[in-house]
Amino acid sequence: DAGVIQSPRHEVTEMGQEVTLRCKPISGHNSLFWYRQTMMRGLELLIYFNNNVPIDDSGMPEDRFSAKMPNASFSTLKIQPSEPRDSAVYFCASSWGGGSTDTQYFGPGTRLTVL
Amino acid sequence: GIQVEQSPPDLILQEGANSTLRCNFSDSVNNLQWFHQNPWGQLINLFYIPSGTKQNGRLSATTVATERYSLLYISSSQTTDSGVYFCAVASGGGADGLTFGKGTHLIIQP
Repeated sequence: DAGVIQSPRHEVTEMGQEVTLRCKPISGHNSLFWYRQTMMRGLELLIYFNNNVPIDDSGMPEDRFSAKMPNASFSTLKIQPSEPRDSAVYFCASSWGGGSTDTQYFGPGTRLTVL
Repeated sequence: GIQVEQSPPDLILQEGANSTLRCNFSDSVNNLQWFHQNPWGQLINLFYIPSGTKQNGRLSATTVATERYSLLYISSSQTTDSGVYFCAVASGGGADGLTFGKGTHLIIQP
């Protein structure tokens, strides 16, 4: 089975541009998570969804960040406008979200560089 | 929110050595996972272990939930074990976002 799929794997953009990151969770998983990794702050949760509904977006840093999950197999994280401090690796993860095992499986990440 | 502390922050060992990595957390948890981030940045899930003991080959993990700590054991280290090991926890009900520790950076020298 394919794991969590993220695209693009690398993105280089200029300050002020809109950036859209994409994620396809593992089939059958109903929870999806967006994380960000930086040297300064480590790995931090941005937002997560359960059954396509946003549950906790308290980690989203600013109004410039938005996330959607229009269906069970697709989610986007958008930054508009982007700033150099948004440069980071963005990970998407998914889990079954129920029962006694809630193992989260991570995608390969998108390395974002904002110039 | 819940706090996660990992120790040691850095560890350099010779190939073949054994190691123990520790994770302390500040509140009761219903999810605890150990990850290995390899030099290419990929986060690989090692164990889902909110309590008890598990083993997978040369790796094993133990979580003592009542005392709020978890240990990851690596035996007979290989150079491919190098990377950063993260402990991550969640304390909410059902599926919940993880809070990560700062990690242990492990270097295995040949």
